[in-house]
Amino acid sequence: KNQVEQSPQSLIILEGKNCTLQCNYTVSPFSNLRWYKQDTGRGPVSLTIMTFSENTKSNGRYTATLDADTKQSSLHITASQLSDSASYICVVSDRGSTLGRLYFGRGTQLTVWP
Amino acid sequence: EPEVTQTPSHQVTQMGQEVILRCVPISNHLYFYWYRQILGQKVEFLVSFYNNEISEKSEIFDDQFSVERPDGSNFTLKIRSTKLEDSAMYFCASSERKNSYNEQFFGPGTRLTVL
Repeated sequence: KNQVEQSPQSLIILEGKNCTLQCNYTVSPFSNLRWYKQDTGRGPVSLTIMTFSENTKSNGRYTATLDADTKQSSLHITASQLSDSASYICVVSDRGSTLGRLYFGRGTQLTVWP
Repeated sequence: EPEVTQTPSHQVTQMGQEVILRCVPISNHLYFYWYRQILGQKVEFLVSFYNNEISEKSEIFDDQFSVERPDGSNFTLKIRSTKLEDSAMYFCASSERKNSYNEQFFGPGTRLTVL
């Protein structure tokens, strides 16, 4: 069964600190892995997308890694800001469907305190 | 920057009523999607749409649901007879073309409340 699991479920850090979020997946056949940021009551916004051949990708203070062998990914946030408070969702796309169906994790709820 | 828009932002309806959720995808995009997110749960795929027909649908997308692209800009999701469990946030997304990334851009969502 295609699944995406994320940890931790929630995380509180102080402004300026770094953090790392984890994602494990069983989606097969794998196409790509994305990290989205979702503010409360809003739609998900893409942070990074990685295909099978990419093992790291950065977008500003966000750095994602992918280990396709162990089916694990991480999202590292450096120098956190109050505006980073949101849910971070790991999403995996499969190659088995016509348009690459997306499978979502439950997200990690990040809270940044001043 | 172009974005996906959705209306209404919040829809309240009585159980058994029909609702239509509307989306305007990004103008040059060819692939369209609907997702839903029940409060506190993960986002779930409902349906994908390309070339005026459904490309794929999930087990959630039963006969009560339908999608349509009535003109060149709108993409709609219709729920024929709403149930309490249809209460959720519904997100529309669109993508430009199918490639290894097929990045999907999400709208802000419509919160559907069924009473």
